[in-house]
Amino acid sequence: GENVEQHPSTLSVQEGDSAVIKCTYSDSASNYFPWYKQELGKGPQLIIDIRSNVGEKKDQRIAVTLNKTAKHFSLHITETQPEDSAVYFCAASSGNYQLIWGAGTKLIIKP
Amino acid sequence: KAGVTQTPRYLIKTRGQQVTLSCSPISGHRSVSWYQQTPGQGLQFLFEYFSETQRNKGNFPGRFSGRQFSNSRSEMNVSTLELGDSALYLCASSLDRAGTEAFFGQGTRLTVV
Repeated sequence: GENVEQHPSTLSVQEGDSAVIKCTYSDSASNYFPWYKQELGKGPQLIIDIRSNVGEKKDQRIAVTLNKTAKHFSLHITETQPEDSAVYFCAASSGNYQLIWGAGTKLIIKP
Repeated sequence: KAGVTQTPRYLIKTRGQQVTLSCSPISGHRSVSWYQQTPGQGLQFLFEYFSETQRNKGNFPGRFSGRQFSNSRSEMNVSTLELGDSALYLCASSLDRAGTEAFFGQGTRLTVV
């Protein structure tokens, strides 16, 4: 079945620097790739998503890129701020079934 | 419009008891998925309901069950609670398919003692 691998498990960056989190999926039929941010004590929040007919999508400091050939997609956060500290999850689906989740990345922004 | 509402937020139960958690999805959303999240773990899929029918199920024992009502509200039940059932239980609602945009509630923190 579908499998999603997420790296790194922990990422520590200096405030103001960029952060990149990568995910690899196994099912070539996957066509929807969301990213979620989960802060302590809260449910995951959808922050950006991309569909397979698009290679890149940007929303202010956040961007997602998709490489269908290599079957991987990445989350890019520029000019990181303390409030970006959280656990980030990637997921993939073929649309008809449930989202398949990565294991999560704990992002730490150092002041 | 209102987001996904889960009740209660916190719950403490004793081993062997049963528990029922509730989820009200976003108005107009018909798909409700349930997840278990334990410390340091990712999101473990429990099941998905759509139009009152269970459409997908994860690898959890039969002690975990759910249902969905005609207004799309969903409940999940865990019988014969074990210490290992202590977790954050999350509900996510989607418009019509679980594999599309999903919006999560705040979760119910269940502690089994």
